[in-house]
Amino acid sequence: GESVGLHLPTLSVQEGDNSIINCAYSNSASDYFIWYKQESGKGPQFIIDIRSNMDKRQGQRVTVLLNKTVKHLSLQIAATQPGDSAVYFCAEIYSGSARQLTFGSGTQLTVLP
Amino acid sequence: DTAVSQTPKYLVTQMGNDKSIKCEQNLGHDTMYWYKQDSKKFLKIMFSYNNKELIINETVPNRFSPKSPDKAHLNLHINSLELGDSAVYFCASSDGQGAISAGYTFGSGTRLTVV
Repeated sequence: GESVGLHLPTLSVQEGDNSIINCAYSNSASDYFIWYKQESGKGPQFIIDIRSNMDKRQGQRVTVLLNKTVKHLSLQIAATQPGDSAVYFCAEIYSGSARQLTFGSGTQLTVLP
Repeated sequence: DTAVSQTPKYLVTQMGNDKSIKCEQNLGHDTMYWYKQDSKKFLKIMFSYNNKELIINETVPNRFSPKSPDKAHLNLHINSLELGDSAVYFCASSDGQGAISAGYTFGSGTRLTVV
């Protein structure tokens, strides 16, 4: 079946630097792409999403970029803080699939002091 | 107030036992889900219910049976537990309106360990 994947399983960044987490997807019919943050012992927490008809969306310290030509999604975190340390997942929703989320395999982000 | 709450948070049980995990949401959402997260942190949909009707049933052994008494509750019953069932199970809900992805809310998970 089709899946969403991540290029890097782990990422370490210095506090204050910018982080970029990448994701590849294969279902060109997906309507939304979402980034989730999962801290230890907790459920996935919504960060930001982007509709398939957009190529960029900004939130507070986060930006998601969507490149449909190469089926690539990225999450940029500005001025990374220790509280950003977590596992980050990209996911996609296809409206024809009863809104089920298809997740990528996750990237562990570690922020170094 | 917890939006999506699951009980128990931890569950340790022996092979062959039957166990249930409960989920409740107070968001007024019309759709609820069960996801399984394996030891490599991979998350995969198991079931989805919309207004108490099953609308997704992925390739899950029939030892797993979801039950939705009303649209605010979705329980997961597992018969004859096996070692491979050890995982973290997440309940989620969504409102299905507007920005469907932003309305998706997860519980904090139930860590099931089968020994």
